[in-house]
Amino acid sequence: GAVVSQHPSWVICKSGTSVKIECRSLDFQATTMFWYRQFPKQSLMLMATSNEGSKATYEQGVEKDKFLINHASLTLSTLTVTSAHPEDSSFYICSAHLGRDRGAGNTIYFGEGSWLTVV
Amino acid sequence: AQSVTQLGSHVSVSEGALVLLRCNYSSSVPPYLFWYVQYPNQGLQLLLKYTTGATLVKGINGFEAEFKKSETSFHLTKPSAHMSDAAEYFCAVPTPGSNDYKLSFGAGTTVTVRA
Repeated sequence: GAVVSQHPSWVICKSGTSVKIECRSLDFQATTMFWYRQFPKQSLMLMATSNEGSKATYEQGVEKDKFLINHASLTLSTLTVTSAHPEDSSFYICSAHLGRDRGAGNTIYFGEGSWLTVV
Repeated sequence: AQSVTQLGSHVSVSEGALVLLRCNYSSSVPPYLFWYVQYPNQGLQLLLKYTTGATLVKGINGFEAEFKKSETSFHLTKPSAHMSDAAEYFCAVPTPGSNDYKLSFGAGTTVTVRA
């Protein structure tokens, strides 16, 4: 079946540095991917929609200059957390859907998630 | 905006007992409804989804959910719990907007299974 893979699974970085998380669709092309953030024991909150070949669309309250999203190809979207701070520590999950037809009920696949710890 | 409410943040059942996780959606009938499971430190795995047609949807691992328009509900059930069912479960609907793949999640329900 379709698989979405994230890398790295775990990352620790120093405060003030930047860290990049990759989201790849392994056996299908995804024109749109989504990035979510999940704090421990909480639900997923959508951060942004990553659009291949164009700018990402950010949800209200999400700093676009802090969370840089690049979707340079049909199989790869990256989330870069710039000037990371401890409060950015979280579980970041991406998703992609199989199929171009809007509203077709095609399955949405999620990556395994990436744990970011900023120290 | 469309949203889902999961009643009960934590459900504890005995092995072999019925598992019932509640999900209600707000306002208009959503085009799709999903249940996802998340095991510790992992991403989400689709359990089942409702699109159109039959209101009783069967998913993986013995789970099923029934869409009830009159009750605005999409509760998830499994007749006999297994230890491996211990996880976090999320109900989700598409967020109204540009497409149907941007999801809004419920708060989640943690399931623990007692031996």
